Amino acid sequence: DAGVIQSPRHEVTEMGQEVTLRCKPISGHNSLFWYRQTMMRGLELLIYFNNNVPIDDSGMPEDRFSAKMPNASFSTLKIQPSEPRDSAVYFCASSLGEQFFGPGTRLTVL
Amino acid sequence: GQQVMQIPQYQHVQEGEDFTTYCNSSTTLSNIQWYKQRPGGHPVFLIQLVKSGEVKKQKRLTFQFGEAKKNSSLHITATQTTDVGTYFCAVAGGTSYGKLTFGQGTILTVHP
Repeated sequence: DAGVIQSPRHEVTEMGQEVTLRCKPISGHNSLFWYRQTMMRGLELLIYFNNNVPIDDSGMPEDRFSAKMPNASFSTLKIQPSEPRDSAVYFCASSLGEQFFGPGTRLTVL
Repeated sequence: GQQVMQIPQYQHVQEGEDFTTYCNSSTTLSNIQWYKQRPGGHPVFLIQLVKSGEVKKQKRLTFQFGEAKKNSSLHITATQTTDVGTYFCAVAGGTSYGKLTFGQGTILTVHP
């Protein structure tokens, strides 16, 4: 298995632009998590899904953030419009017990 | 939700010295997991502890779960430069969906 796949690995964009981060979980894992990591705030859980259904989005910072999981093999995290303070590494993880993290997307908003 | 405090935040050691990081909770935990994140990398699962007083070893790493299941520790014997990174503990979020609450992490630096 290729593990959790995230794309893009790096994204540089300008303030106000829409950003879409993508994740393919490990096949058979029924839970998917989106995290944000910064030096200041550490590893923050943004939202998680179980069997493609959003369970808890209380970690989503603002309405500018949205996430979808249209099927068991794909999820997106969208930021619209992006702001410089959104700059961070965004991780996707999937789980059957322990969590398997993807390599992350390093987002820079100028 | 579950809260867990992890200390220390930073630890600098000379190669060959031992290292320990601690996680503490005010509530009884069902289990605790440990993860390692190398610089520039992503968190990687190390181990899960479930039983009261449990001790597990992985080569130079020793993991302990407290008798009251409210604290845990990760001890590294004779650190090596390959041990550098951030070590996180994580506790179950009280649901059956695998949600975890991560500690703040301990950043380990090993000087050769």
